[in-house]
Amino acid sequence: GIQVEQSPPDLILQEGANSTLRCNFSDSVNNLQWFHQNPWGQLINLFYIPSGTKQNGRLSATTVATERYSLLYISSSQTTDSGVYFCAVEPGTYKYIFGTGTRLKVLA
Amino acid sequence: GAVVSQHPSWVICKSGTSVKIECRSLDFQATTMFWYRQFPKQSLMLMATSNEGSKATYEQGVEKDKFLINHASLTLSTLTVTSAHPEDSSFYICSARGGGNYEQYFGPGTRLTVT
Repeated sequence: GIQVEQSPPDLILQEGANSTLRCNFSDSVNNLQWFHQNPWGQLINLFYIPSGTKQNGRLSATTVATERYSLLYISSSQTTDSGVYFCAVEPGTYKYIFGTGTRLKVLA
Repeated sequence: GAVVSQHPSWVICKSGTSVKIECRSLDFQATTMFWYRQFPKQSLMLMATSNEGSKATYEQGVEKDKFLINHASLTLSTLTVTSAHPEDSSFYICSARGGGNYEQYFGPGTRLTVT
């Protein structure tokens, strides 16, 4: 089956710093989403981005489907950005496969 | 829009009893709902997919007689953990998709502890 690897697995930032999270997948996909899981476990939709680039405030994402990767950019990080970031891909099976996750901690 | 609720948010039960978890789409019709399980510091693992009015499709290795899923309406799916054992303790999360939208929207999760 498809493999979905995220890097880095852990990241510690000082408040105000920028970061790039990466999601690599081993096969072609029809859909891709980025999520933020907050400390209470709730998954928050960040981007639905099977291809191209999107921006929402301090966050932006780019998916290059032909090269099988997606990037999530966080600028001017805040302590509330802490949590786990997951990408999830749908390889044409109508169900998502979740990546390994990036655990982010932003220090004040 | 696109809000999914889960109830209860946490539950403690004794070994051998059954527990039902509800997942509701509050402001859209969910043609497909998904149930995931997450262990501490791990990723989400899909357990099953359910479409309204039809039987759920379980992932390999998931016992369908232990994890009963019912998707009786376009806004409600339930997961029943039967004869729960301590190893069933986990964080269970549902998601829903519908309205011609490919995005999945997630509920807040249910933390199950079996003693």
